[in-house]
Amino acid sequence: GAVVSQHPSWVICKSGTSVKIECRSLDFQATTMFWYRQFPKQSLMLMATSNEGSKATYEQGVEKDKFLINHASLTLSTLTVTSAHPEDSSFYICSAQVGVEGWGSPQHFGDGTRLSIL
Amino acid sequence: KQEVTQIPAALSVPEGENLVLNCSFTDSAIYNLQWFRQDPGKGLTSLLLIQSSQREQTSGRLNASLDKSSGRSTLYIAASQPGDSATYLCAVKTGTASKLTFGTGTRLQVTL
Repeated sequence: GAVVSQHPSWVICKSGTSVKIECRSLDFQATTMFWYRQFPKQSLMLMATSNEGSKATYEQGVEKDKFLINHASLTLSTLTVTSAHPEDSSFYICSAQVGVEGWGSPQHFGDGTRLSIL
Repeated sequence: KQEVTQIPAALSVPEGENLVLNCSFTDSAIYNLQWFRQDPGKGLTSLLLIQSSQREQTSGRLNASLDKSSGRSTLYIAASQPGDSATYLCAVKTGTASKLTFGTGTRLQVTL
C-alpha cells in the first residue's frame, strides 16, 4: 500500500519550454503533497508544500512563478517548470502524506523525474 | 532552523560486516524520524519510521534507534550484503507544517 506514482520519469526538452510533472497517490488520499529538488550527490531540498484545494506554500528562495504547483484533487499534484532553462535541470521528487494520520504519519515518495534542459 | 547531519559521508565495508550509520539533528522537537534508501538515479525507499515517543524500530536486518534528547539516531545494518549498497538518508519531521528535513546522506558500498 501507499504507492506514489510520478510521471514522467525522465524528460529532455529545449530551453524555454514548460514541463509538467505529475504526482499521484494510487491507493490512498493525500491531503498534503511535497515537492523536492535534488542536485547530483546532494540531499533533497524541499521546494514547496501542496495542500489539496489551496495554494502551495513555497520555501524561501523558490520562485513560485517559475515552479507552478497545482493540487486539484486528493490524489494528484502537478509541478510545472515554466520557461525552463539549463539551470533548472535536476532531479525532482514528490511525496504524499496521508493526512488523517496526523503529524506522525510518514511521507511516501515517488520515483522521481530527471529533467534535462538543453 | 532544523539541521540534519549524517556521518560518515561515505563508507565501504566487506560483505558480512555489521555497520552503523549516524544521524544527528539540531532541534529535538521532532514528530518522527525516517530512514530512507536511495539507489543511483532513483527515488526514495522508506526503511524505518520512528515516532518521537519511540526508542527504536526493527525491520529484518535493520535496526534504527532514536535518542531525541541528544538529537541522534543510528541505523544498524547486520550482516551487510552487496545489495545494501546505496545512499542512506535520514529525515526528521518538525514544525507545524509537518516538513521533512533531510540529512546529507551516507553512501554505502558493500564489497564482495
